[in-house]
Amino acid sequence: EVQLVESGGGLVQPGGSLRLSCAVSGFTFSTYWMSWVRQAPGEGLEWVANIMLDGNEKYYVDSVRGRFTITRDNAKNSLYLQMNSLRAEDTAVYYCARRPALGHAPFDFWGQGTLVTVSS
Amino acid sequence: DIQMTQSPSSLSASVGDRVTITCRASQSINSHLNWYQQTPGKAPKLLIYAASSLQSGVPSRFSGVGSGTDFTLSISSLQPEDFATYYCQQSDSLPLTFGGGTKVEIK
Repeated sequence: EVQLVESGGGLVQPGGSLRLSCAVSGFTFSTYWMSWVRQAPGEGLEWVANIMLDGNEKYYVDSVRGRFTITRDNAKNSLYLQMNSLRAEDTAVYYCARRPALGHAPFDFWGQGTLVTVSS
Repeated sequence: DIQMTQSPSSLSASVGDRVTITCRASQSINSHLNWYQQTPGKAPKLLIYAASSLQSGVPSRFSGVGSGTDFTLSISSLQPEDFATYYCQQSDSLPLTFGGGTKVEIK
């Protein structure tokens, strides 16, 4: 059974840092692209970052580039999102999502999400 | 960036109704369009990929059509478990972008 389990969310002050983790099981992690997608309270979905198979290619939405870093550890079947210089507008549920490594692939499996709240 | 516009933003329907949701891209995205269903407090679930391909395990009452800039998601006979919010998403180019969502409510 495919599983993606996020952790690491919580309350952080503006300007602070947080590291999210996503532990996966039930599939060969190293053969899938991985992404983070967020959803602010009561709002829609926003793609945040992508990482390709070996971790050397990474892409970000403009609003987080330079502040967030996506990484993966294929030996540990884990995905990470290091978030620095956090702002109130980063408050959201953060989902990790899997993408088949095929051209214009969708997000075919999602974790349950972890809530990040940026507030003083 | 490619903007995705969904309509309507919400609709009320009854069990058994046929429902159609539209999604328009600000430029051609070929057939690189995906549809997701989200119920409150849950993660999104992939329904349709590449505009018209049904994801494994998704009931056949869901269908998608379109290419270029205009796409539709249809539910042939609405079931109680289909009351949810639906999102389109383009996977043609980065940044990947979503439509604003369509909330399907019980009439």
